[in-house]
Amino acid sequence: NAGVTQTPKFQVLKTGQSMTLQCAQDMNHNSMYWYRQDPGMGLRLIYYSASEGTTDKGEVPNGYNVSRLNKREFSLRLESAAPSQTSVYFCATASALSTDTQYFGPGTRLTVL
Amino acid sequence: SQQGEEDPQALSIQEGENATMNCSYKTSINNLQWYRQNSGRGLVHLILIRSNEREKHSGRLRVTLDTSKKSSSLLITASRAADTASYFCATNSGGYQKVTFGTGTKLQVIP
Repeated sequence: NAGVTQTPKFQVLKTGQSMTLQCAQDMNHNSMYWYRQDPGMGLRLIYYSASEGTTDKGEVPNGYNVSRLNKREFSLRLESAAPSQTSVYFCATASALSTDTQYFGPGTRLTVL
Repeated sequence: SQQGEEDPQALSIQEGENATMNCSYKTSINNLQWYRQNSGRGLVHLILIRSNEREKHSGRLRVTLDTSKKSSSLLITASRAADTASYFCATNSGGYQKVTFGTGTKLQVIP
């Protein structure tokens, strides 16, 4: 089992470009999350999806959109990238039985020039 | 805004010594968790302690929770070089499936 996978691992964008970060899980978990991690800031929640077909904003949703394509996949889209979105992005999942324990993907390191 | 704040920000110890990290938070919680992050990797869940528990053990890990002081500590006994990582506390304050992470303690264990 792969667990939680994220693509791409690294990405460099120019200001104004768009891109989609992909996350997939084979753990049959209902809940999925997108976080960003910046030095000295810890992890901050961007969006989450409690179940297929639902999405909700987290602490820092501005500049991002998400799609819960199906139970396995949760994508994060940057429509017009800005240098402030340079960060490491993590996808995480949690089961309905134990929503507090999250399982993380390896991360995507994004640089916006 | 960050709910949890770890202390110290960085810690360097010799292999075999114990490492203690602290986490303080601001609001009432349902539970508190500790995660480990190796360099360049995702976070890995270590242990969860509920608000009605005061102490919990898992292998070489010991976690305490003092809800009156809104603080928790993570003790790693007999540390190993492989324990070198950043450690984060995460609190759940009752928001549906939302967990808030602290800023982390960077632990270096010197062989």
